Amino acid sequence: DTEVTQTPKHLVMGMTNKKSLKCEQHMGHRAMYWYKQKAKKPPELMFVYSYEKLSINESVPSRFSPECPNSSLLNLHLHALQPEDSALYLCASSQDRGLGTGELFFGEGSRLTVL
Amino acid sequence: GENVEQHPSTLSVQEGDSAVIKCTYSDSASNYFPWYKQELGKRPQLIIDIRSNVGEKKDQRIAVTLNKTAKHFSLHITETQPEDSAVYFCAASNDKIIFGKGTRLHILP
Repeated sequence: DTEVTQTPKHLVMGMTNKKSLKCEQHMGHRAMYWYKQKAKKPPELMFVYSYEKLSINESVPSRFSPECPNSSLLNLHLHALQPEDSALYLCASSQDRGLGTGELFFGEGSRLTVL
Repeated sequence: GENVEQHPSTLSVQEGDSAVIKCTYSDSASNYFPWYKQELGKRPQLIIDIRSNVGEKKDQRIAVTLNKTAKHFSLHITETQPEDSAVYFCAASNDKIIFGKGTRLHILP
């Protein structure tokens, strides 16, 4: 199984809503990532988890709250988002987060629209 | 932190010709340089990568070269085909992967 599965594929939410994005992988990877991608832009790193611990937070606003319940799951909790947060949110995993990392396996993404 | 510059932003080549995309990086500690291809509406996928102890790597029609002294690396695609049309991202990594801005490659019939 070389898949990273993300749900939901599409999400529309108001600025006062609370929602969550979910990501799952069963490749035994020990590093998991959240990236944000706006149209015609590169993926932008948000968070990195290594061995279920948050190791990198790229100064992401607190309205985004990551959670790694176990080595296969990664969640992104969303609260009080702004319209400019509308984007494709990509989850990825890699075997490890050692020096130079390694191949990132991306999910298909969750396309978020904030009204 | 790492900064990756990528050129050109758009590239059109005739089918069968070669395409070259160039990237520079700023952090001399970076030691891993992957290239990702993203087709419209799809996820980025790794097409080739190179580590800093190697100067060149080839996989069929795709090759990557790395010049550590100059801190630049390039992607070469030969005998381009319509299915090569996509956005290509270079990236550099020491402890986290940072992407370049991307190159939109159009293969002209």
